[in-house]
Amino acid sequence: QKEVEQDPGPLSVPEGAIVSLNCTYSNSAFQYFMWYRQYSRKGPELLMYTYSSGNKEDGRFTAQVDKSSKYISLFIRDSQPSDSATYLCATLLDTGRRALTFGSGTRLQVQP
Amino acid sequence: DGGITQSPKYLFRKEGQNVTLSCEQNLNHDAMYWYRQDPGQGLRLIYYSQIVNDFQKGDIAEGYSVSREKKESFPLTVTSAQKNPTAFYLCASSIVRHEQFFGPGTRLTVL
Repeated sequence: QKEVEQDPGPLSVPEGAIVSLNCTYSNSAFQYFMWYRQYSRKGPELLMYTYSSGNKEDGRFTAQVDKSSKYISLFIRDSQPSDSATYLCATLLDTGRRALTFGSGTRLQVQP
Repeated sequence: DGGITQSPKYLFRKEGQNVTLSCEQNLNHDAMYWYRQDPGQGLRLIYYSQIVNDFQKGDIAEGYSVSREKKESFPLTVTSAQKNPTAFYLCASSIVRHEQFFGPGTRLTVL
């Protein structure tokens, strides 16, 4: 079993829709939860991170972590065609190992 | 204009060749990382370095080597011992562990 699971998609939505992207993880010791956006053939771009449980909002993006169910989500409001990309979730332990553990990514297509 | 640069953008390797991928950052970050991305898979850590002249193996270090002689630079050599090197290689740097910033990547293809 992978440590971080993510549905590969593609997820296709109309412009203006609310998008929900999700990951599950297996290691309860993970404390940091990140969301990256990756356009085709480009490097990933850090959108936001959350420490422990709770919500974090940045513009149209909201990250949510539920540690009791080991479930992390990214919501995109008023989705735009420019949001079309692959979204990668990543996790990190509080101490020790420095490497991020990534999900495989969900490809999102926002149709104009 | 601060950032991370990787070169070349595309690289072709013949069987038995060693090739070196360049990564430079002017963000004054102490830590630097190399990840590999295969189609439909998440990124996997090859090597990382927390300070100059020190580096640690990641999950898939076999067939790769690195050096960290300068804070700004962290080159990755893909040796002939790496049996399946065709992939997208990404370099990252950070001040804190949870905010890793990535370069544009190098796509390596074995001919």
